[in-house]
Amino acid sequence: DADVTQTPRNRITKTGKRIMLECSQTKGHDRMYWYRQDPGLGLRLIYYSFDVKDINKGEISDGYSVSRQAQAKFSLSLESAIPNQTALYFCATSDSRTGNAQPQHFGDGTRLSIL
Amino acid sequence: AQRVTQPEKLLSVFKGAPVELKCNYSYSGSPELFWYVQYSRQRLQLLLRHISRESIKGFTADLNKGETSFHLKKPFAQEEDSAMYYCALTPTYKYIFGTGTRLKVLA
Repeated sequence: DADVTQTPRNRITKTGKRIMLECSQTKGHDRMYWYRQDPGLGLRLIYYSFDVKDINKGEISDGYSVSRQAQAKFSLSLESAIPNQTALYFCATSDSRTGNAQPQHFGDGTRLSIL
Repeated sequence: AQRVTQPEKLLSVFKGAPVELKCNYSYSGSPELFWYVQYSRQRLQLLLRHISRESIKGFTADLNKGETSFHLKKPFAQEEDSAMYYCALTPTYKYIFGTGTRLKVLA
């Protein structure tokens, strides 16, 4: 089945470390997104990309960077991790070919803890 | 400003009771609205979207433009409905999620 895969599933690291979360998809979708999920705050958009050359900041991009290495791959980096970046991170994809407002398809998430 | 409001963080109901999860939105144009569900330790998945006007797992949601609402309803709750529910608005190509409502269905 076509899927959205996130690695790693869990990560514990220390303050100041650089971390990369990876997302790959076999759905053939052009749009990819990174969200973080915090209790009581829901999902907040970090970055989104409509194709390899189009990357945009979301509402909470400070402290994060992304790379769209290919249509199927979208990585999220924390350059210097801090404890308040401890959260559950989700990658999502959508397909613009059938219209702008298409459902998003999510990965299983990466649980990141920063000590 | 574009916003989605889910006023209840937690909703507890007994099995067999009706359920209504509230969602209000703020958007001046014609919205596209969705409900997503996240079962324990699983990924978010689409439950339904307003343009489909379909019923999934017994849930329905009607868009009320006058009240700017898209409440999720089910006449008889089941224990397997216990999950986190998110309402989402997509004005164009970005998605705005509410803060979510945790539904607990008690035996």
